[in-house]
Amino acid sequence: EDQVTQSPEALRLQEGESSSLNCSYTVSGLRGLFWYRQDPGKGPEFLFTLYSAGEEKEKERLKATLTKKESFLHITAPKPEDSATYLCAVQATGNQFYFGTGTSLTVIP
Amino acid sequence: DTGVSQDPRHKITKRGQNVTFRCDPISEHNRLYWYRQTLGQGPEFLTYFQNEAQLEKSRLLSDRFSAERPKGSFSTLEIQRTEQGDSAMYLCASSLEQTQYFGPGTRLLVL
Repeated sequence: EDQVTQSPEALRLQEGESSSLNCSYTVSGLRGLFWYRQDPGKGPEFLFTLYSAGEEKEKERLKATLTKKESFLHITAPKPEDSATYLCAVQATGNQFYFGTGTSLTVIP
Repeated sequence: DTGVSQDPRHKITKRGQNVTFRCDPISEHNRLYWYRQTLGQGPEFLTYFQNEAQLEKSRLLSDRFSAERPKGSFSTLEIQRTEQGDSAMYLCASSLEQTQYFGPGTRLLVL
């Protein structure tokens, strides 16, 4: 069964303290892996799409990487405005997307 | 604003009533998705349209739920005979290829 697991569930960082969020997946035929940011009460905001193992994407303080079994979202020198829930989603064969439960990130000034 | 829009943003209804939500996708996007999200969970896939054709439906979509996308533009999601368990955020997303862009959601509370 296609499954997406994110860890940790919650993460508290001091401002400037770099860390990584993990998304592990088991799907039959990965067509794409997606990272989103979601603020409370809002819809998910697109961050990155990764298609194949070894691929990396960067945007400001965020960097996403992909292996055959997992993806990491690295956050370098985070700021309080990076506080949000980060969601990972995978697209297997077909058009269904499977989301993880997210990592709630809090960055303390 | 060229993003995905949803209406209403909030809906409070009594158990047993019918509700309808609307989603306007990004104009050139031919694919449209509906999701349901409850507190502390990721979005759960409900259904998918390519143009006006509804191509996939989740097992979560009971016979009380129906979605349409007439003329391949906006979409509506209707819930009949609402139950308290239907309380959730209903999200719409659209895409041209694989990457989906989400709207702000409609938060439903069933009393």
